[in-house]
Formats: sequence, structure tokens, C-alpha cells
Amino acid sequence: GENVEQHPSTLSVQEGDSAVIKCTYSDSASNYFPWYKQELGKGPQLIIDIRSNVGEKKDQRIAVTLNKTAKHFSLHITETQPEDSAVYFCAASPNNNDMRFGAGTRLTVKP
Amino acid sequence: SQTIHQWPATLVQPVGSPLSLECTVEGTSNPNLYWYRQAAGRGLQLLFYSVGIGQISSEVPQNLSASRPQDRQFILSSKKLLLSDSGFYLCAWSGGASYNEQFFGPGTRLTVL
Repeated sequence: GENVEQHPSTLSVQEGDSAVIKCTYSDSASNYFPWYKQELGKGPQLIIDIRSNVGEKKDQRIAVTLNKTAKHFSLHITETQPEDSAVYFCAASPNNNDMRFGAGTRLTVKP
Repeated sequence: SQTIHQWPATLVQPVGSPLSLECTVEGTSNPNLYWYRQAAGRGLQLLFYSVGIGQISSEVPQNLSASRPQDRQFILSSKKLLLSDSGFYLCAWSGGASYNEQFFGPGTRLTVL
């Protein structure tokens, strides 16, 4: 089955700096790669996703890149703000009922 | 728009007691439904998923069970809780136009003492 690894486990940046979180996956059949943001005590919220026919996707300060050959994908947050502080999860999915999550990255943005 | 509800929000139960967590989805029909568990500071572990009424697939053998008595209702149960069942339980749905995307509920924090 799919195995997703996520790095780093914790990340601390100064407000205004960029943050990058990286994930690797093992199943070449995976074709959907979402990113979730989870605030304390809440359920994860989908913030951006990318499908295997696309190499990069942007949404304002957030971007995701995908390298299918190397089986890795990354989340980039630019101009970080304190409200970006949360736990971020990547996931990889070959089909609708098989989504595997990374262990999460705790991002802290210092004002 | 679609919304997903979970209750209760928090629950403290003694070891050996039964469990029933409920999840309902509004604004969509025939969704795929999922139960995940998140241990403290850890990722999400898929427990069960359902593609239709009465159809349950189990990912991890354990003392938990799931049922789907109605199209938009998903229930997580246990006859006797263990200490190791403590965690944050999340329900999610997918389907319709958003084929792969899964949308999570607010979660239930379960503490077994």
C-alpha cells in the first residue's frame, strides 16, 4: 500500500519568511495529492490539492509542486503570517477510498 | 453547500464502557464516508470507510465497529473501550463532483480513563 513520509516534523519561521514542507510517496498509482491545515482541536481543512497531470498549482500565498518521477511533492507558503501557525498534513491517494496521510508538520510563525 | 457534523465534541468514558460516535452529512447524497483516528501529535489513521448504506470496509482490526444505517449517517461504536482507544476521532466525506477530495468534520475528543 501507499506510504507517505513528511518532513520536517516541526518548522519555525519568522513572520514574512517562506515555509516549505516536503512529502514523498511510494505508490506510483497515486494521482491525487491534497494538503490539509489543522488548527488546535479542530478537524483538518483542505487548503490546496494537485493532481498528477499538473506540476504546480498556486492559490494566493500557497503553492504546491509535484514531481511524479521522484515521487515527491511540496507545500510552499510565502509571506507567512501568525495565523498560518498550525499542523499541516500531506496525503497521497490512488483512488477515492485509499488516502494515506503524512505524520504532519507543526508550523510556528513568530511575529 | 455541504456540511458535516460530529457529536459529541468531547467524551470521557471509563475502560470497558460502550461507545457510540455519530457523524452526519448535509447537502449531498450517496457520499463516501470515513472514520479516522488521530493519536496525540500523530497523523491520521483510517479506521473504516463506507461507499453506501450497510457497506463497511475495515482498515485496521480492533475492538471498534462502524455502521451506516442511513445514506448520510455514519456511526462508530465499541462494546468495551480500551485505554488505547483514546484519541481524536474524525469523520470525513467525499463524492459527487469532488471525487477524491475528503472533507473533515470537527472531530470528537475521546478520553478513556
